[in-house]
Amino acid sequence: KQEVTQIPAALSVPEGENLVLNCSFTDSAIYNLQWFRQDPGKGLTSLLLIQSSQREQTSGRLNASLDKSSGRSTLYIAASQPGDSATYLCAVRGYQKVTFGTGTKLQVIP
Amino acid sequence: DTAVSQTPKYLVTQMGNDKSIKCEQNLGHDTMYWYKQDSKKFLKIMFSYNNKELIINETVPNRFSPKSPDKAHLNLHINSLELGDSAVYFCASSQDRAGGDEKLFFGSGTQLSVL
Repeated sequence: KQEVTQIPAALSVPEGENLVLNCSFTDSAIYNLQWFRQDPGKGLTSLLLIQSSQREQTSGRLNASLDKSSGRSTLYIAASQPGDSATYLCAVRGYQKVTFGTGTKLQVIP
Repeated sequence: DTAVSQTPKYLVTQMGNDKSIKCEQNLGHDTMYWYKQDSKKFLKIMFSYNNKELIINETVPNRFSPKSPDKAHLNLHINSLELGDSAVYFCASSQDRAGGDEKLFFGSGTQLSVL
């Protein structure tokens, strides 16, 4: 059974700082891994998707990496802004199923 | 146009009632899902349908019955609502193809409060 853990559970940083969010999963037989953000009271917005054959994906200030063999992914956010404040979730796609992580609640302080 | 839309956004009801949540996607995807997000914000899959056929049922009580009239719609009917059913329910869809980009697209959620 796939288990997905995100550390830390919460993170507070001053504006402008670079930061890394971590996602670990127990079963390396995955098809892809997707990072989402969720704003309070809202749905999930897709940020980046990494296929199992890829090592990283970049979009603007975001960079996600994947090390399938060790069961880890990181989301790097450069030059953080208050608008980045949200909960970040990673989701691992296995056979017929997507398993979500426990989430990291990020607060960027102006 | 909203890609995945679900209604209602808020649902407040009494214990024991029966209620439905509707979901529609206009992305042409083959697979649709229902997820439940509890008070600790943990998202857990409930059901998955592919081309109107049930492919995942994650030990959800049989008071929950999904119905897919066509591949663009997946509705969730809940009988005899209980206090513990209070949560946010999310609908999602994806286009499952081998080796392809299988991004999940989410609706904005339905916040269910059972009193």
